[in-house]
Amino acid sequence: GNSVTQMEGPVTLSEEAFLTINCTYTATGYPSLFWYVQYPGEGLQLLLKATKADDKGSNKGFEATYRKETTSFHLEKGSVQVSDSAVYFCALSPMDSSYKLIFGSGTRLLVRP
Amino acid sequence: ETGVTQTPRHLVMGMTNKKSLKCEQHLGHNAMYWYKQSAKKPLELMFVYNFKEQTENNSVPSRFSPECPNSSHLFLHLHTLQPEDSALYLCASSQDLSGGAPGETQYFGPGTRLLVL
Repeated sequence: GNSVTQMEGPVTLSEEAFLTINCTYTATGYPSLFWYVQYPGEGLQLLLKATKADDKGSNKGFEATYRKETTSFHLEKGSVQVSDSAVYFCALSPMDSSYKLIFGSGTRLLVRP
Repeated sequence: ETGVTQTPRHLVMGMTNKKSLKCEQHLGHNAMYWYKQSAKKPLELMFVYNFKEQTENNSVPSRFSPECPNSSHLFLHLHTLQPEDSALYLCASSQDLSGGAPGETQYFGPGTRLLVL
């Protein structure tokens, strides 16, 4: 079946530190991959996405590369800010039902000044 | 502001109550979704509507009853809930399901935090 596994949080970093949040997936064929972010008291917002192997999604300084060989889509940012504190969700949509989103359990990021 | 609004934002209800959650999207989308977000569990898809027709019911108990009167509005009617139903209920919308384009984005509302006593 389809599934997404994320590193457990919380992840606590100092401002300007480098961020990596690991995400691996299990799926048939070539799913689309997403990172969503949930700020406190809000719903989920799309952060970035990639729809085919070797694609790199990027937004607001965050990046993730679709790696078919390692079935991974790790989220990275070179210098985090306090305002990046949120919960980050990795998700996939299967090839045969692209409207579905299958989420990981989320990783809470706390950035300290 | 994502163009998807949900009311109420918070709801406390007893197990014998009947209440409804409302979702409205202002994005001109045709597909709408209900998700359940419980503590320490991945988001669970509950229902999917496309052009007002229900296309998916993800084995949701009948105490949750969705309604989609038009493409802009989605309701979740609740009755005789259990304490384990306490969660954040999220509504989302997307363009539609018919194209099947890869990587279609879903837009989420802020959620209704439900507590069942």
